[in-house]
Amino acid sequence: DQQVKQNSPSLSVQEGRISILNCDYTNSMFDYFLWYKKYPAEGPTFLISISSIKDKNEDGRFTVFLNKSAKHLSLHIVPSQPGDSAVYFCAAGEGAQKLVFGQGTRLTINP
Amino acid sequence: GAGVSQSPSNKVTEKGKDVELRCDPISGHTALYWYRQSLGQGLEFLIYFQGNSAPDKSGLPSDRFSAERTGGSVSTLTIQRTQQEDSAVYLCASSLPGYNEQFFGPGTRLTVL
Repeated sequence: DQQVKQNSPSLSVQEGRISILNCDYTNSMFDYFLWYKKYPAEGPTFLISISSIKDKNEDGRFTVFLNKSAKHLSLHIVPSQPGDSAVYFCAAGEGAQKLVFGQGTRLTINP
Repeated sequence: GAGVSQSPSNKVTEKGKDVELRCDPISGHTALYWYRQSLGQGLEFLIYFQGNSAPDKSGLPSDRFSAERTGGSVSTLTIQRTQQEDSAVYLCASSLPGYNEQFFGPGTRLTVL
């Protein structure tokens, strides 16, 4: 039973365009959501987070949107750059401790 | 400052042997987590330590898995009588208490032959 799902295993976007990564969750008790980025042979790196009291959080080129009624969050990257090519994981939890991670989406930015 | 470090980076072992994986968290981080990532899967929570509280072991898949954290800092994850399905990347993370992001180490890739 996957509580956090990333239904797209891969996404390919042209450099300069917007990348949109999606994530769905089932547990309505989750109140903290994060996105992590992972390069090969490295641990995940924190990108951006959002708590359930907000519906949007922005940090530079990265924006996370939360739709609680739909139990859906998304990460927008604009403009996309070649260095953004990586695997992106969404994570959710009741608080920041026992996070549940999605399976990841491999983003490829094409020049 | 230094990030989370893990050792060894790679470990190959034979089925039935015991292995120990080490994690050095970021100095001052009271929370420490272990996850594992099997091929093609997301990160699976294993265990969580917070300060001097009893650890949350709810994610450990079997009693062959155990972990300890000595002196509130370094942690060791032990897998006894390893099985082939234990093959995965084992990731450690640490954080400050509360709503703070977890910082991950590079992981230990465990291969059980």
